[in-house]
Amino acid sequence: DTAVSQTPKYLVTQMGNDKSIKCEQNLGHDTMYWYKQDSKKFLKIMFSYNNKELIINETVPNRFSPKSPDKAHLNLHINSLELGDSAVYFCASSQTSGGHTGELFFGEGSRLTVL
Amino acid sequence: AQSVSQHNHHVILSEAASLELGCNYSYGGTVNLFWYVQYPGQHLQLLLKYFSGDPLVKGIKGFEAEFIKSKFSFNLRKPSVQWSDTAEYFCAVKNAGGYNKLIFGAGTRLAVHP
Repeated sequence: DTAVSQTPKYLVTQMGNDKSIKCEQNLGHDTMYWYKQDSKKFLKIMFSYNNKELIINETVPNRFSPKSPDKAHLNLHINSLELGDSAVYFCASSQTSGGHTGELFFGEGSRLTVL
Repeated sequence: AQSVSQHNHHVILSEAASLELGCNYSYGGTVNLFWYVQYPGQHLQLLLKYFSGDPLVKGIKGFEAEFIKSKFSFNLRKPSVQWSDTAEYFCAVKNAGGYNKLIFGAGTRLAVHP
């Protein structure tokens, strides 16, 4: 069983479109994240949710809207896609309560290409 | 603000050579430190982590790292690399308290030639 799964793995779309990436974790973790990895492999945190509550919101354009329907899911919706949004988006999860170390478990990434 | 610096962007080694990848961080408080590896086309996997105790930590696949608090460093080492170690290596740091916000370095691309 895949611990952190993302769909779709590849997404090619035109500028101006709206798209969503879904993430699910079956590890029972209480915290989920979205990271963006650019073409130079630099990883930057975008959002984090703890038990469905937004706790980290980095300087990300309003066009990006995360949604966490429950603590096992964290989806990312992007409006009005721009060329600069092309990247690999990684979902991750961790257990942060109960004395856990908070190690992040990553999904396989969703490669978004905006034409 | 916290930051992580990985000095070597691209390292090329022959098999059986020894490896050391540098990682320095900037943060004055207590930190937790990590090394992640990303094999070509795959997701990030944890190699090792430091939270407290012995500053020399051992991870998977023969990797180890040493936390030197006075130097704000957490360098990754392996005595003898293999072709299968070809990957991107990321150092990461987080504030030991507060939210679980991992800050990553820019990564080091390691290429091991047979």
